[in-house]
Amino acid sequence: EPEVTQTPSHQVTQMGQEVILRCVPISNHLYFYWYRQILGQKVEFLVSFYNNEISEKSEIFDDQFSVERPDGSNFTLKIRSTKLEDSAMYFCASTRQVNTEAFFGQGTRLTVV
Amino acid sequence: GESVGLHLPTLSVQEGDNSIINCAYSNSASDYFIWYKQESGKGPQFIIDIRSNMDKRQGQRVTVLLNKTVKHLSLQIAATQPGDSAVYFCAENKASGDYKLSFGAGTTVTVRA
Repeated sequence: EPEVTQTPSHQVTQMGQEVILRCVPISNHLYFYWYRQILGQKVEFLVSFYNNEISEKSEIFDDQFSVERPDGSNFTLKIRSTKLEDSAMYFCASTRQVNTEAFFGQGTRLTVV
Repeated sequence: GESVGLHLPTLSVQEGDNSIINCAYSNSASDYFIWYKQESGKGPQFIIDIRSNMDKRQGQRVTVLLNKTVKHLSLQIAATQPGDSAVYFCAENKASGDYKLSFGAGTTVTVRA
């Protein structure tokens, strides 16, 4: 069964450092997403990406965040200067079309110290 | 404001019994609803979805019911098994625009042997 893969599974970084979280969406999917989940809380939408551009973003996704699809398979989330409150699980997801089943990756646990 | 939420944060159920997990939503424009299961340390796993033109949809051991009059969504799991122990989230999306899921807070289901 096809799956979304994310690397690394756990990333520890110092406050103020840049991090890049990586995702490989399902190959025939066209829509890509990043969500985050602070420990013990609900999953929150960050950004959606289609046709090589951001199609929607939440209030959380400020100027410190960026996304990129550098090649035909990878989808990355960059946080330029991490803050303590960025510590969370970050999930990548993809869908074949809008309003269809979203497949989530296993997540990257980001710990900012 | 608009939100998606679950009625109960925890549910304990005897193995073999049926489980019912409830969810209330307030966004009357929502047209697509999904149930996800999340096991510890993993990403959300799709269970079943339903569109607003339906009131019931069945899968393997699961049934989703949608009552648009009272903005209520439920997930029924038949013959609950130990592997069903997880956090269950309902999520919604508007039909138009991009695919941005709004997740509820989650119900933790514990199956007693």
